[in-house]
Amino acid sequence: DVKVTQSSRYLVKRTGEKVFLECVQDMDHENMFWYRQDPGLGLRLIYFSYDVKMKEKGDIPEGYSVSREKKERFSLILESASTNQTSMYLCASRGEVIQFSYEQYFGPGTRLTVT
Amino acid sequence: SQQGEEDPQALSIQEGENATMNCSYKTSINNLQWYRQNSGRGLVHLILIRSNEREKHSGRLRVTLDTSKKSSSLLITASRAADTASYFCAPNDYKLSFGAGTTVTVRA
Repeated sequence: DVKVTQSSRYLVKRTGEKVFLECVQDMDHENMFWYRQDPGLGLRLIYFSYDVKMKEKGDIPEGYSVSREKKERFSLILESASTNQTSMYLCASRGEVIQFSYEQYFGPGTRLTVT
Repeated sequence: SQQGEEDPQALSIQEGENATMNCSYKTSINNLQWYRQNSGRGLVHLILIRSNEREKHSGRLRVTLDTSKKSSSLLITASRAADTASYFCAPNDYKLSFGAGTTVTVRA
């Protein structure tokens, strides 16, 4: 079974703090993704990475950065947390497309509250 | 990324009944995926249907795709309490984007 783990289930931070969210996958997947999920807005892509040290912006990258130094680990960084970044953050991974398999595997999520 | 729009927003059914939910999207796709999210197992992939397929089955799930109407439907037959969850469709593949989903409640 593919396992995607996230460093925290719940996190409370203060405005202006630097926040690190860590994600680790154990299936040697090339592709990793960070999403945020908000009521009424659905699931939106923040950043993704298709290889070590490679990253691309998703639909809502403002206020976030990412780091992928090792294949299994993808970090999301909030340089200066703001209250509008209070959300559920979901990490996902996916291997190369084989036989049209595009399935993404999600971690359990980190519920971040910025006060 | 293209978001799918699920309809209805919420659905409440009796155990053993069927549940049907719909998804609409705006631009042409190569495939469409359905995911389920509940508190126990998080967000999990259910099924993928390719643009050249009209119908696909997986266990108690039946998915249809009508590319001319840019819509898809997910049918869950003989529902169980464990089917209580939110269901999302995701048009295309690499970069997912979900709408608000359909929240299904299965009553005992």
